Amino acid sequence: KQEVTQIPAALSVPEGENLVLNCSFTDSAIYNLQWFRQDPGKGLTSLLLIQSSQREQTSGRLNASLDKSSGRSTLYIAASQPGDSATYLCAPGPNSGNTPLVFGKGTRLSVIA
Amino acid sequence: GAGVSQTPSNKVTEKGKYVELRCDPISGHTALYWYRQSLGQGPEFLIYFQGTGAADDSGLPNDRFFAVRPEGSVSTLKIQRTERGDSAVYLCASSLLGQGPYEQFFGPGTRLTVL
Repeated sequence: KQEVTQIPAALSVPEGENLVLNCSFTDSAIYNLQWFRQDPGKGLTSLLLIQSSQREQTSGRLNASLDKSSGRSTLYIAASQPGDSATYLCAPGPNSGNTPLVFGKGTRLSVIA
Repeated sequence: GAGVSQTPSNKVTEKGKYVELRCDPISGHTALYWYRQSLGQGPEFLIYFQGTGAADDSGLPNDRFFAVRPEGSVSTLKIQRTERGDSAVYLCASSLLGQGPYEQFFGPGTRLTVL
């Protein structure tokens, strides 16, 4: 059974810092991995999707990397802003592709102005 | 539609009552997923549809929970004899079927409170 761990559970940084959120998973037989953002009381917004054949994906100030063999992914946020404050969730997708995601508990990020 | 929509956004009910939660997926998405998220936790899978049929319902916690998708588009999650422990945010997601990368898109959720 896939288990996902996200470290740290919570993080508070001053505005402008670069930061790294970590995600580890126990079953490396994944098809893809998605990173999501969740604002309080809201649904999930997809940030980046990395397919198993890829090493990284970039979108603006966000960069996600994937090391499938070691069961790790990182989300790098450059020049953090207060608007980045949210919970970040990673979710590997099973090897069969179009199947349910397995989520970690998330990292709660606060960026202080 | 432009995105996944869910109704109602909030539902308060009394213990023992029956509730229905609705999900409208992105137009053309034939895969539909229901997840449940408790406070401080990540979403947990409940049931997954390919078209009209439930491809995987292994996440449903017990037989009080049931979901349908009769025309392969809108889905309804039904909970009978609600219990206080059913209080959570119920999330729906959809994706394209049959072609990668199988990115899932989520709705805003329905917050269910059982008193």
